[in-house]
Amino acid sequence: EAEVAQSPRYKITEKSQAVAFWCDPISGHATLYWYRQILGQGPELLVQFQDESVVDDSQLPKDRFSAERLKGVDSTLKIQPAELGDSAMYLCASSLVRLGDMNTEAFFGQGTRLTVV
Amino acid sequence: AQKVTQAQTEISVVEKEDVTLDCVYETRDTTYYLFWYKQPPSGELVFLIRRNSFDEQNEISGRYSWNFQKSTSSFNFTITASQVVDSAVYFCALSEGNTGTASKLTFGTGTRLQVTL
Repeated sequence: EAEVAQSPRYKITEKSQAVAFWCDPISGHATLYWYRQILGQGPELLVQFQDESVVDDSQLPKDRFSAERLKGVDSTLKIQPAELGDSAMYLCASSLVRLGDMNTEAFFGQGTRLTVV
Repeated sequence: AQKVTQAQTEISVVEKEDVTLDCVYETRDTTYYLFWYKQPPSGELVFLIRRNSFDEQNEISGRYSWNFQKSTSSFNFTITASQVVDSAVYFCALSEGNTGTASKLTFGTGTRLQVTL
């Protein structure tokens, strides 16, 4: 069964260091999302791609976060420098956009749990 | 602005009991989509159901059923004869429709369900 792949599963980093997460969506899924989930809360969108273009990055802290999806397939989310408040689960999701139906369900990866110390 | 409220933070039931998870949403759109996801301890979000705003028919899938009522802006989820494997955090989510691109999910804060023997 196709799934969204994310790596690493866990990451511990010191504050002020750089950290990067990788996501490989389900093959053929044009839309890719990065969500952040703080413990005890629901996921919140950081950035959304349609193919290689950013559709929504209004909630992305652009002074320290960056995201790219250069060839419209896999994606990288980077934080530099990391802060203590960035400790969270970072979830990647993808969805298949069908003609006439832009709201198909999103499939999520297992996430990267980041701890900043 | 979209908003999803899951007022029940945590529910504990004994196996074989029925349990209903509440979800209330707010949106100004006439076209929108509602979702339920399950998040087991392993962390990934598992898609359960998608409903569009024009389809108010209730749905049943095995032990799961969903009650969508536009009049009260609610999309409640019932598990019949609960099992220990149902223990997880359940999220209700909302997305806008007809934006021209796939829309982000706005999640509630989740309800933690604990099913004991």
